[in-house]
Amino acid sequence: DAGITQSPRYKITETGRQVTLMCHQTWSHSYMFWYRQDLGHGLRLIYYSAAADITDKGEVPDGYVVSRSKTENFPLTLESATRSQTSVYFCASMLTNSYNEQFFGPGTRLTVL
Amino acid sequence: QKEVEQNSGPLSVPEGAIASLNCTYSDRGSQSFFWYRQYSGKSPELIMSIYSNGDKEDGRFTAQLNKASQYVSLLIRDSQPSDSATYLCAAQGGGTASKLTFGTGTRLQVTL
Repeated sequence: DAGITQSPRYKITETGRQVTLMCHQTWSHSYMFWYRQDLGHGLRLIYYSAAADITDKGEVPDGYVVSRSKTENFPLTLESATRSQTSVYFCASMLTNSYNEQFFGPGTRLTVL
Repeated sequence: QKEVEQNSGPLSVPEGAIASLNCTYSDRGSQSFFWYRQYSGKSPELIMSIYSNGDKEDGRFTAQLNKASQYVSLLIRDSQPSDSATYLCAAQGGGTASKLTFGTGTRLQVTL
């Protein structure tokens, strides 16, 4: 049971480059989420998706693009990376039940130089 | 701005004691509440969910919810050094049920 995986786990890039972070889940959860975690800010929602081809903005969407052509994949793209996007990125998926519990992937640590 | 507030800590408790972690939230429409444990350098791990007023127990963990006071707490009985981590409180809003708002977390240290 692989659950939810993210790749790469670590990434160093330069300002202005395009970067794509991958997220894959094997549970067939309909909802998927992208968060970033920064000291002093906690976890903040970037984008989420209720199903394939349905995405919506979260709290901090600027500078990010998402797509969801298949239920199991939810890639996050930084079109032109900035230093302020240096962060730890977590993908999560949600079991739709009475609690709507979210489960997190292992995270990607991104450094933008 | 919907907010979830937690004391950042660190909260230091001796091994075997009860650790009490607290959280308040601003959105009265919040329906469900969650506690996640996060070890340093790791991802958040769900340990408790609660959506009714009162207590919910699971092993050494008890979650408490008081919607009138907009207050959620997590009690950890018989605290162990392995419980040392940051504990994140999250509230799920009534508007878009899927979205969580997280607190910044309380760091718990269990001392020998």
